[in-house]
Amino acid sequence: DAGITQSPRHKVTETGTPVTLRCHQTENHRYMYWYRQDPGHGLRLIHYSYGVKDTDKGEVSDGYSVSRSKTEDFLLTLESATSSQTSVYFCAISESAGEQFFGPGTRLTVL
Amino acid sequence: AQSVAQPEDQVNVAEGNPLTVKCTYSVSGNPYLFWYVQYPNRGLQFLLKYITGDNLVKGSYGFEAEFNKSQTSFHLKKPSALVSDSALYFCAVRDMNNNAGNMLTFGGGTRLMVKP
Repeated sequence: DAGITQSPRHKVTETGTPVTLRCHQTENHRYMYWYRQDPGHGLRLIHYSYGVKDTDKGEVSDGYSVSRSKTEDFLLTLESATSSQTSVYFCAISESAGEQFFGPGTRLTVL
Repeated sequence: AQSVAQPEDQVNVAEGNPLTVKCTYSVSGNPYLFWYVQYPNRGLQFLLKYITGDNLVKGSYGFEAEFNKSQTSFHLKKPSALVSDSALYFCAVRDMNNNAGNMLTFGGGTRLMVKP
């Protein structure tokens, strides 16, 4: 998976609790992305980063925040998890205008 | 704005037969186009891309795709399907004139089922 790891790979949590997902890359790529995948919706962009401390919102950013303090790490935080945030979350990286490379995913269940 | 449509939720094909997975796109400028494949419980794997040049693009695992500007399509094809090609396929587009974060927009996905 192109030097991308995600942690945890699976998580079950309760409504109202904070959750942080981590994406770590060893490729030194500039751009990093967080997507969620839900049946019938394909992949939808949550947030992305175009450099250290440089982030912006994607299509479905409500309820999520991100941080990137180092090139290799991109964190996605759910401040107060809701059942609608039950999903599979994918991190991706890219260096330029070309293809993105995806991590293995994190399956999050919010009860 | 950029968007992608994959009109078929599922495509069924017999092993050894040719396969086509359809994709149409909409961008305001010129498109970058991509195909990805996803196997169960895995991340997306890059198959091929069109940036510029020849309209017929060859990619991994014997797949190819044809860029058709007049029909705004980028259909994925393979001359002879394998059972192991069964997976979920995603088309994605990026508007070359949209430089904000090199964001891709994905289609909803097409499940390919290849039967022996």
